[in-house]
Amino acid sequence: QLQLQESGPGLVKPSETLSLTCTVSGGSINSSSYYWGWIRQPPGKGLEWIGTIFYSGTIYCNPSLKSRVTISLDTSENQFSLKLSSVTAADTALYYCARAIVGTTGGYYYYYYIDVWGKGTTVTVSS
Amino acid sequence: SYELTQSSSVSVSPGQTASITCSGDKLGDKYACWYQQRPGQSPVLVIYQDNKRPSGIPERFSGSNSGNTATLTISGTQAMDEADYYCQAWDTSMVVFGGGTKLTVL
Repeated sequence: QLQLQESGPGLVKPSETLSLTCTVSGGSINSSSYYWGWIRQPPGKGLEWIGTIFYSGTIYCNPSLKSRVTISLDTSENQFSLKLSSVTAADTALYYCARAIVGTTGGYYYYYYIDVWGKGTTVTVSS
Repeated sequence: SYELTQSSSVSVSPGQTASITCSGDKLGDKYACWYQQRPGQSPVLVIYQDNKRPSGIPERFSGSNSGNTATLTISGTQAMDEADYYCQAWDTSMVVFGGGTKLTVL
């Protein structure tokens, strides 16, 4: 059974770079069937999509975060990573990594849904 | 940018039917999915591609999507269904979540 585990510092100083890694077990990230993504949830608030990467290297990012986000794959370690630069208190959140299924019907209607989520890791931005 | 709107809260009595809606411009022309998030837990997919249920999700969960509105329906609601529910769609290479609806079973 596929499992995802987030790891990284729980505390990051303002203006620094947040770095998280998602380790995938029970399956390979080097697959043409799945996408791998990051979602966050500020305390007491809803879900916010950060970005998604495909094994080919194709990346989709939330436009509101795109200038600060780097997402990458490490197929040798079966991991994928998130870097978010110039963080502020507004970046304090529970960060989830996830596996997504993306496809199309008729070549026109696209679907994207997340079928596996990690447990999440809390990141606090504070000096 | 594309937006999905959900009502903040819905209440239902046990055994009754709960309907949670998600609105967006021409949402019916896109695929919607739904996640359930119980307190302190990661979200769980309950409906994908408008109306499909993943393995292990009870039959009382169903979905529909037409016009500008997607609807998650929970028939015979149980106390264990009390949770936050989020709709989500894909629009021009971007994932969009609704703001979430808190379902209270009382």
